[in-house]
Amino acid sequence: QVQLQESGPGLVKPSGTLSLTCAVSGGSISSSNWWSWVRQPPGKGLEWIGEIYHSGSTNYNPSLKSRVTISVDKSKNQFSLKLSSVTAADTAVYYCARRCIALCPFGYWGQGTLVTVSS
Amino acid sequence: DIQMTQSPSSLSASVGDRVTITCRASQGISNYLAWYQQKPGKVPKLLIYAASTLQSGVPSRFSGSGSGTDFTLTISSLQPEDVATYYCQKYNSAPFTFGPGTKVDIK
Repeated sequence: QVQLQESGPGLVKPSGTLSLTCAVSGGSISSSNWWSWVRQPPGKGLEWIGEIYHSGSTNYNPSLKSRVTISVDKSKNQFSLKLSSVTAADTAVYYCARRCIALCPFGYWGQGTLVTVSS
Repeated sequence: DIQMTQSPSSLSASVGDRVTITCRASQGISNYLAWYQQKPGKVPKLLIYAASTLQSGVPSRFSGSGSGTDFTLTISSLQPEDVATYYCQKYNSAPFTFGPGTKVDIK
């Protein structure tokens, strides 16, 4: 059973860069799956941020594309998110998630990690 | 980009009631529509995919229907453990947009 675990700083200063990592266990990041980031501001809905395939191919939400970089580290079986120029509006629970290579929904999710943007 | 809307935004129903939530896509998405359940403080859980296919382990009181732009999630007999927010999501192409959610509680 694949498991996803997010990690990273819980507090980021405004204008800084948010950096998170999702460790994959129980399966290989080089399997036929896309690996995504989804966020949820406190009390609000879900927003898809972007995804990466183990080849390095990415898809990003156009609303965040200019500030987002998702990368993969196959040697560590993990993938990462960087979101630059953060503001308080980026305060959210950040989830990593997995979907299959075909047209599939998100069947596996990490537990989520709260990132607060504040000075 | 395709926008997803849901109605109602919240509802309150009695145990045993039939509950229906509607999701609408601004353009046709065939049947590439998923429903998630998120209980307070918990991770979203996949309930239904391909508009009407129940994920393994999901109680049969949940069902989904629709194709194209209009979809519904039905709970045939609402149970106390169904208190949650329900989100629809399109996955025919990126961006994989979620609906704004429907909060369901017990009257």
